[in-house]
Order: sequence, then structure tokens, then C-alpha cells
Amino acid sequence: DTGVSQDPRHKITKRGQNVTFRCDPISEHNRLYWYRQTLGQGPEFLTYFQNEAQLEKSRLLSDRFSAERPKGSFSTLEIQRTEQGDSAMYLCASSSFIGTLYGYTFGSGTRLTVV
Amino acid sequence: AQRVTQPEKLLSVFKGAPVELKCNYSYSGSPELFWYVQYSRQRLQLLLRHISRESIKGFTADLNKGETSFHLKKPFAQEEDSAMYYCALLQGGSEKLVFGKGMKLTVNP
Repeated sequence: DTGVSQDPRHKITKRGQNVTFRCDPISEHNRLYWYRQTLGQGPEFLTYFQNEAQLEKSRLLSDRFSAERPKGSFSTLEIQRTEQGDSAMYLCASSSFIGTLYGYTFGSGTRLTVV
Repeated sequence: AQRVTQPEKLLSVFKGAPVELKCNYSYSGSPELFWYVQYSRQRLQLLLRHISRESIKGFTADLNKGETSFHLKKPFAQEEDSAMYYCALLQGGSEKLVFGKGMKLTVNP
């Protein structure tokens, strides 16, 4: 599968625990994006990497959220001290150097449930 | 602030009927607009882009700057068009896409 891979597909965690998600983009894509989608809403932008540099962050990305892309390949999104409001689908997407204008390739997402 | 509005959440039509999925946007600059689609149990995927002015799977979308709209149209809907459709706006000078809340299209046989 040469698409965008996300792991795990589902995660159930207790409130207050830390969770980490992984995204493997399409190998030749240097741009990587994280979005969050809650029920009945469209995806909301969280952050964007070009290679290993994190170039944009949303105000949605509170201090409890951190994202990394250490070698410009895979990325991780960590949420510390999870809250029930963090329950959502977390989507990763990638695109080539041409960028967003030519469209993203999305992964299947990681569904987080905080109980 | 940039905003994308999809005023209808649900649309149900019969096969062969025309469909129009509405999208309005709020943006002070020159907008770049997209339609993304999510079929059942599949990933969100790009359907078409404003800049390419192409027809994909029989769908077209025209940017109307006067009405700040980017409605998606298809003259004869097919059952396989049933899906969630999201309109999205690219913010100028940014890589951030702003999505609408989406609309569920159901095409009945």
C-alpha cells in the first residue's frame, strides 16, 4: 500500500492518559498535515510540516498537543493528559512539494475515544 | 475570518435526477476552492479543484465570486455518487484548508 498509513486505527484511553499516533505519508511527499474531525463537522486543521520543519500550528493545538516529524518522513501526534473533548478522528494527509493547491492524500484516520 | 458554509446537511435524490450541492465561502482574497468526497468506509479524497476547471465523474463546480459560491453540480446522479461531500477553501499564504461541515448525498435507485 503506497498510500498514507495511520496507526492505530482506533484508540480508547482513560481521561488523563497520554496517547501517541503515527502517520506514514506517501514516501515522495515532503508535506504532511494533521487534521481533527469531530462528529458532524468537517476536518479542522491542526498543523503542517514541510520536511521536518513544523511551519504552521492551529490555535486548536493546545499545550497538551505536540507533533513531530523528526526525519522528514513519518510523523507523530501526542496528546498529553487527554480530556473527553479530545475524542475525535485524527486525520493525517500528505502532498508533494507542489502543495495543497493540488490536493492532499488522506489517511484512514485514528479514532480516539477518551472515557 | 475565512469560513466555508454548506447550508444543507442532507440531500436525497433518485437516480438520474440532477444534483446541486451548495457551498458558500467567506474570504477577502482570491479563493482557491476544492470539493472533497468520502464514500462509505473509504478515505477522504479530492474530487475536484477550482483551478483545474475539470469535470470529474460528471461533477462540475463553478466559482461565482459575486455570490461567493462554489456549488457542485451533476446533471444525472448515479447510485455510486452517494457519499459525504466537503467543500474546502485554501487560505492565501497558507497550507491550511478550511472545510465546511459536509453534506450527505444519497442517490436512491
